Amino acid sequence: GAGVSQTPSNKVTEKGKYVELRCDPISGHTALYWYRQSLGQGPEFLIYFQGTGAADDSGLPNDRFFAVRPEGSVSTLKIQRTERGDSAMYLCASSLNLADTQYFGPGTRLTVL
Amino acid sequence: LAKTTQPISMDSYEGQEVNITCSHNNIATNDYITWYQQFPSQGPRFIIQGYKTKVTNEVASLFIPADRKSSTLSLPRVSLSDTAVYYCLVGDFGNDMRFGAGTRLTVKP
Repeated sequence: GAGVSQTPSNKVTEKGKYVELRCDPISGHTALYWYRQSLGQGPEFLIYFQGTGAADDSGLPNDRFFAVRPEGSVSTLKIQRTERGDSAMYLCASSLNLADTQYFGPGTRLTVL
Repeated sequence: LAKTTQPISMDSYEGQEVNITCSHNNIATNDYITWYQQFPSQGPRFIIQGYKTKVTNEVASLFIPADRKSSTLSLPRVSLSDTAVYYCLVGDFGNDMRFGAGTRLTVKP
C-alpha cells in the first residue's frame, strides 16, 4: 500500500517568508509525527498528533512553528518568518496507533536563503 | 527519557556479519528498543524492535541481555547497500522517540 508522502520534496524560500509543508499519512493511521533533521544529526522530535489534536508539541522550537491536522489525516507544518537556521529536512511519520511502529515519509528539504 | 549511546561509525566488508551495540543504562520498564536505518536524503526505515531476549526478522536480529541496559543489532552478511546510518531508540513511543546521532556503517567491497 501507499506509504507516507510529503510535499513538496524540496522548498527554497527567502528569509522572512511563510512556508507550509504537507504530510499525507498512511491511510488509517491515527498518530502522526513531525521531526526536523539537520545535516549529520539524527531526527529531532517536533510534535505529534493523536487524531486531530496535538498530543505533544514540546519539540516545536518557538512560536514561529505551528502544525495542524484538522480532519485527523493530512497534516500541515507551518513556519512563519523563516530564518536561515530553519533550513533542514522535515520528516513526517505515522503509526497505526500511538504505541505502534512509526513509518517515515521521504521528507521535505527546506532551504532558507 | 532513556538516553542511548552508540558508536559514531563502523566499517565492514561485504559478506561479513555486523554487530552494532547500543547502551541504554536508564531504560524504563515500559520501554521498547527500536532500530531504524536511514539512507541519505530518505526518511528512517524501521528495522526491528524488541523488549527482551532475542528477536529475529528477515533482515536483522536484535539481542537484548536480561538487564536490558544494552542491545545489539546484528546484520548478517552485509552488502554495499547496507551502508547507512543506524539509530537505536528506547522509549514507549509517542514523544519518546528521541533519535541520537546514530552509527554510520560503511560497507566496503
